Amino acid sequence: DTEVTQTPKHLVMGMTNKKSLKCEQHMGHRAMYWYKQKAKKPPELMFVYSYEKLSINESVPSRFSPECPNSSLLNLHLHALQPEDSALYLCASSQVTANPNYGYTFGSGTRLTVV
Amino acid sequence: GNSVTQMEGPVTLSEEAFLTINCTYTATGYPSLFWYVQYPGEGLQLLLKATKADDKGSNKGFEATYRKETTSFHLEKGSVQVSDSAVYFCALDFGNEKLTFGTGTRLTIIP
Repeated sequence: DTEVTQTPKHLVMGMTNKKSLKCEQHMGHRAMYWYKQKAKKPPELMFVYSYEKLSINESVPSRFSPECPNSSLLNLHLHALQPEDSALYLCASSQVTANPNYGYTFGSGTRLTVV
Repeated sequence: GNSVTQMEGPVTLSEEAFLTINCTYTATGYPSLFWYVQYPGEGLQLLLKATKADDKGSNKGFEATYRKETTSFHLEKGSVQVSDSAVYFCALDFGNEKLTFGTGTRLTIIP
């Protein structure tokens, strides 16, 4: 299995809702990432988990709460979002190594709309 | 800091035309370089990569050569197809879990 699977593919939520995005990989990768991508922009890094521990938090607002329950799963919990948080949320995974030869594997993303 | 500069898009070409998308980078040290492709409504797919100077990455008819002297990693394809229409991102990485992207170049191929 060489894929990163994200669910749901589309999500519409109100500003008072609580929802979660899910990401799963079975490639044995021990680094997992959340990116946010606005229309016609490159992805922006939000969080990095390395060996299930949060290693990078790019000063993301607390209404986004990541969780890594095990080495294959990564969640992003959403609460009290704003309309400007509407975007494509991408999950990625990679080997944990100082050698970047392996590259990153991205999921297809969750398209989030906040109303 | 590290940065990647891509040619401004959008780029529109006729089928079978030659493609070049320019990419230059600024970095301290010698990063690995990547091209990712994003088809409409999808996530990013790794197209090709090069990890050291003079390496050539290639895949699906696309090529890019890591040029240390010009700090460039230009993407080329000899004969594009309609199915190549997508957004292309150049990126660099030092293996520190921080992939740095260029702004992306939207490519449209007309039959």
